[in-house]
Amino acid sequence: NAGVTQTPKFRILKIGQSMTLQCAQDMNHNYMYWYRQDPGMGLKLIYYSVGAGITDKGEVPNGYNVSRSTTEDFPLRLELAAPSQTSVYFCASSYRTGAGTGELFFGEGSRLTVL
Amino acid sequence: DAKTTQPPSMDCAEGRAANLPCNHSTISGNEYVYWYRQIHSQGPQYIIHGLKNNETNEMASLIITEDRKSSTLILPHATLRDTAVYYCIVSVTTSGTYKYIFGTGTRLKVLA
Repeated sequence: NAGVTQTPKFRILKIGQSMTLQCAQDMNHNYMYWYRQDPGMGLKLIYYSVGAGITDKGEVPNGYNVSRSTTEDFPLRLELAAPSQTSVYFCASSYRTGAGTGELFFGEGSRLTVL
Repeated sequence: DAKTTQPPSMDCAEGRAANLPCNHSTISGNEYVYWYRQIHSQGPQYIIHGLKNNETNEMASLIITEDRKSSTLILPHATLRDTAVYYCIVSVTTSGTYKYIFGTGTRLKVLA
């Protein structure tokens, strides 16, 4: 298994541009999550999904959109990029049922700079 | 939103046990406690989890108090490679769905 794969690993955007961060997992996990991490800070939850077709907001959703058309993929779209979105973005997945333990598996991160 | 509280930083001598505390006084009865660590800016790595009983694996031990309001992660023989930020988290349940809110973690520095 490749686990959780994120692309691109690095990207520089100009203010106002848009882009999509890709995330794919091959573990048949039902839950997927997007976090951002600013320098020296902890992880903040942007959006999460409990399965295909179902998404919900996390702590810091403004400026982002997500979709979950398949179990495997959970892309994060940035519309009108702003310098405040300069961060490292982590995608994670887990398998969680009511009785399950649901540990998170993380990707390697996507480092985004908005200039 | 974080449901856990941890000290911001700790030092530990190489070869000694590192004991990292976590307070989760609002944890509900069926929620697990999870520990992750993040080395530099890599993706967080799962360490261990527990519900009520103490747990041990090849990486660490987890001690959960009887009232489940706090726990301690124990790295029995810390090495320089254990220098990292350690996160203790519990899931937040909303309408039957689970999300994981990270706090600021404990920055552990292992000293030679």
